Formats: sequence, C-alpha cells, structure tokens
Amino acid sequence: NAGVMQNPRHLVRRRGQEARLRCSPVKGHSHVYWYRQLPEEGLKFMVYLQKENIIDESGMPKERFSAEFPKEGPSILRIQQVVRGDSAAYFCASSPTGTEATNEKLFFGSGTQLSVL
Amino acid sequence: AQSVTQPDIHITVSEGASLELRCNYSYGATPYLFWYVQSPGQGLQLLLKYFSGDTLVQGIKGFEAEFKRSQSSFNLRKPSVHWSDAAEYFCAVSHPPGGRRALTFGSGTRLQVQP
Repeated sequence: NAGVMQNPRHLVRRRGQEARLRCSPVKGHSHVYWYRQLPEEGLKFMVYLQKENIIDESGMPKERFSAEFPKEGPSILRIQQVVRGDSAAYFCASSPTGTEATNEKLFFGSGTQLSVL
Repeated sequence: AQSVTQPDIHITVSEGASLELRCNYSYGATPYLFWYVQSPGQGLQLLLKYFSGDTLVQGIKGFEAEFKRSQSSFNLRKPSVHWSDAAEYFCAVSHPPGGRRALTFGSGTRLQVQP
C-alpha cells in the first residue's frame, strides 16, 4: 500500500472554506475509491471513480462534495464550504485495471486528516 | 443492507497472550470477508481475506481467521501477540463478491498490548 500517495497529510480549514484532497494511485491503477473515517468509527465508502468517470457516488453527500479523477493527474476530493462535521480522516484506495479490477485488491493511502475550525 | 459488527471497541492483552477479535456480518448470502489493520497515522493494510473454500484462512504477521457460516462470523486470531500488534483492526465485507461495490467496514477494535 506504499504506492498510494495522499496529500496533504493534515489540512486545517475554517468553516466556509474549501478543502481539496489529492490522491495519486499506484502507478498503472485506474480505479480509485474514497472513504471517510469519522472519529471512533470505521471507514465509510464515499465514491468510486475510474479515469474520467464517476462509477458510484452513492456514499457521497449530495451537496458540497465532489470528486474527479482526470485522465492525467491525481484524483481530487473537493469539499466546498466546509463545516465542523466534515472533520475526519479521508482515505483513498486504488485497484488495478482490467479483469483484476475488483475491490478485493485495494491498496490504501495513509489518509488526509481534515480539521475544520 | 449488509452490515458488519465488531462488538469489542477496545481490547487489552498481555504480550505473548492469545488474541481473538470478533466480527459478525449481516447479509443473506456469504460475502467476501476481510481483516485490515491500521497503525496510528497509517492507511489500512490487508491481513487476510476469505472468498470460499477452507474456512480457516492464514494471513500475514501470524494472523488467522475462521469463517463460520452458522454464526455469520469471521473472527481474527493470533496465538501469541507481540507489542507491535498494537493497532486498530477492521473487519470488512464486500457484496456482490468480486464486484465493484465498495467495502463495508466494521467500526473497528483497538488493540492495546501490555508488556
């Protein structure tokens, strides 16, 4: 799992600001998942993306949250007008392409800890 | 909807003692089952997984888990705990197996190891 890079490791924002979280998957992986971990809870699925496509966003709040995974560059999770309840650890995971692209072969990043003041 | 329950929020064991972490799932069919470990400030690392076949699964770092269909359980065990095993442990399921549906995680069990 050392191959998935997330930055920043820690992000502090004031209420109403925007937060942008970046995830560079393992080289060659074109499937990215974002999870959120609230304090004392397990990880909760947010969104699943392939290159330039959102495949499943059923876990993402309808407002203020968006995600993209462009053809070039990292995947971005964007939170607009952050509120204190957005404070959490956000984890990205990637999986390989092709027929092996299943969620049983996930590699996780170390996460971004978002703190909203 | 599928769910995963880890009844023990926090467990403390002495170094060298045996360990069992409980996990129960709720779903009509048998999902794929996983155990992950999360060390402080780190991402999740896969310890082991069960898809089918032998119900006793061996993983990394000396861990094993046993799938019991009748109890809908997938408990994690280790015969002798090391201080470096102190971490948070998450049980997870996926359904449909092999599909692109994301993992559903339990709330985790934090393991503390006493010298």
